[in-house]
Amino acid sequence: EAQVTQNPRYLITVTGKKLTVTCSQNMNHEYMSWYRQDPGLGLRQIYYSMNVEVTDKGDVPEGYKVSRKEKRNFPLILESPSPNQTSLYFCASRSQTVAHEQYFGPGTRLTVT
Amino acid sequence: QKEVEQDPGPLSVPEGAIVSLNCTYSNSAFQYFMWYRQYSRKGPELLMYTYSSGNKEDGRFTAQVDKSSKYISLFIRDSQPSDSATYLCAMSGRNSGYSTLTFGKGTMLLVSP
Repeated sequence: EAQVTQNPRYLITVTGKKLTVTCSQNMNHEYMSWYRQDPGLGLRQIYYSMNVEVTDKGDVPEGYKVSRKEKRNFPLILESPSPNQTSLYFCASRSQTVAHEQYFGPGTRLTVT
Repeated sequence: QKEVEQDPGPLSVPEGAIVSLNCTYSNSAFQYFMWYRQYSRKGPELLMYTYSSGNKEDGRFTAQVDKSSKYISLFIRDSQPSDSATYLCAMSGRNSGYSTLTFGKGTMLLVSP
């Protein structure tokens, strides 16, 4: 089954404690991205990657890091989480040639206290 | 002016009603127009997409794009309780190489039996 998986699905952590949210896709997609979704603000792109070792900032990259060492994986790293990073996070992937058809993961609910 | 405007709702309708969901946008470079459906606690899933202007129909769903007015619509005929979800419009254009989707904030739809 074609899918994007994220782990963990739920995470409660404390300010300053480094964390990683993993994302993996099994569709051989070149393009992957991370979004956060907040009430009243909608989906905002954090980072995206057009292929292995190629990443770029989205609209709200501050406080986040990403890496793309393998085509299927695109982890999101919060080196020093803060309460304003409490949010619902989605990973997404798509083919480079079918730009409009983006597949989303199930989401990670992060709470930073 | 925000790039994409979408009324957040909620929009409450009885089962069987015709539903109209809309977005306006300001960037004339947008060429792909998409509608995503997001059920509670799930990731968005692509419902329909349209390239440039015109209509597209898929079962009970019809997507319309009016580029001259910078206005897109999603119509749902014979709405069902299972259509209750948040509907997100999204757009992309050649100015970003089609690599970035710009999302509306979503309209929550509630269909009562």
